[in-house]
Amino acid sequence: RKEVEQDPGPFNVPEGATVAFNCTYSNSASQSFFWYRQDCRKEPKLLMSVYSSGNEDGRFTAQLNRASQYISLLIRDSKLSDSATYLCVAGLYDKVIFGPGTSLSVIP
Amino acid sequence: NAGVTQTPKFRVLKTGQSMTLLCAQDMNHEYMYWYRQDPGMGLRLIHYSVGEGTTAKGEVPDGYNVSRLKKQNFLLGLESAAPSQTSVYFCASSYGVYQPQHFGDGTRLSIL
Repeated sequence: RKEVEQDPGPFNVPEGATVAFNCTYSNSASQSFFWYRQDCRKEPKLLMSVYSSGNEDGRFTAQLNRASQYISLLIRDSKLSDSATYLCVAGLYDKVIFGPGTSLSVIP
Repeated sequence: NAGVTQTPKFRVLKTGQSMTLLCAQDMNHEYMYWYRQDPGMGLRLIHYSVGEGTTAKGEVPDGYNVSRLKKQNFLLGLESAAPSQTSVYFCASSYGVYQPQHFGDGTRLSIL
């Protein structure tokens, strides 16, 4: 089993749709969680940190479920500019594991 | 404030040649990382450093060496380049182990 797994994708959604990405991590002791976005042939950029209480930033909401070892990212009112690959990250001490990513294409 | 800067941006090597990739950060970060990303695959950690003078192996360290002589710089060396090392290489840095990483814009390396 991979240490961080994500929905295989790709996700193709119309503008304005709500889309949810799921991620699971295998190490129950993991302490840090993030979502990054990566545009084609570009570097990953931090989208948001994920806290136990959940957090929201505009159209983006991240949730953490430690009991199920599950992280989610919800994007509301999708924009064309949201098209990218979304990477889930789980970390423990100096070991930070990136998931393989889920590709999103928002269609006009 | 440039963040994380990688040089060079592109490079083509012949099999057996050696080269060094440079990563520089101006954010006073303790942690620095080198990743490779192959088409359709996720990021794989090559080596990392938790502070000046320290280095540690990541998931795919074979064929690479690193040095962190100065806090702001992290060098990745290819001893004898092989076609399997054709990839995009990303450097990243962070304040601490539980802090988000900031990435450079990558080095695209082709080995013929």
